[in-house]
Amino acid sequence: GENVEQHPSTLSVQEGDSAVIKCTYSDSASNYFPWYKQELGKRPQLIIDIRSNVGEKKDQRIAVTLNKTAKHFSLHITETQPEDSAVYFCAASLNSNSGYALNFGKGTSLLVTP
Amino acid sequence: DTGVSQNPRHKITKRGQNVTFRCDPISEHNRLYWYRQTLGQGPEFLTYFQNEAQLEKSRLLSDRFSAERPKGSFSTLEIQRTEQGDSAMYLCASSLGLAGSPGELFFGEGSRLTVL
Repeated sequence: GENVEQHPSTLSVQEGDSAVIKCTYSDSASNYFPWYKQELGKRPQLIIDIRSNVGEKKDQRIAVTLNKTAKHFSLHITETQPEDSAVYFCAASLNSNSGYALNFGKGTSLLVTP
Repeated sequence: DTGVSQNPRHKITKRGQNVTFRCDPISEHNRLYWYRQTLGQGPEFLTYFQNEAQLEKSRLLSDRFSAERPKGSFSTLEIQRTEQGDSAMYLCASSLGLAGSPGELFFGEGSRLTVL
């Protein structure tokens, strides 16, 4: 089945710096790669996603890149702010039999210090 | 609030008891998923419904777990003879899935289970 590895597990940056989180996946059939942000005690919320026919996608301070050949994708947050502090999860879709259910990485705890 | 709703939000039970969680998805969403999340881990896929049909179950879903979505709307997840290892946050998510395409998953707040 699909296996998603995520690094680093923790990341501390100063406000204004950039943060990069990297993920690899195992199933070359995966074609949808979302990123979720989960604040303490709250539900995971989608922040950005990318599909396999696109190499890069940007939404204001957040960008995601995908390398299908190498089977890895990354989240880039620029000009970080304290409110970006949260746990970030990458995910890769499973097959259509599972309704494209997501297989999640273990998460990256991001701390942005003022 | 028109998001995904789950209840109860918290459940404390003794080992061996049965528990049931309910999920009300976003009304027009045809796909419904159950996930389990433990501390420091990402959500783990348990099972998936397309309308009322349960189409996929993870190997994580032991025989003590059963899920239903009787009319293609709300869903229940029952755990029989609970064990301490069942302690986790149970998350429900829904999406509007088009044929051949994944849709954005919207998660509920979760139901936290503690088995004593």
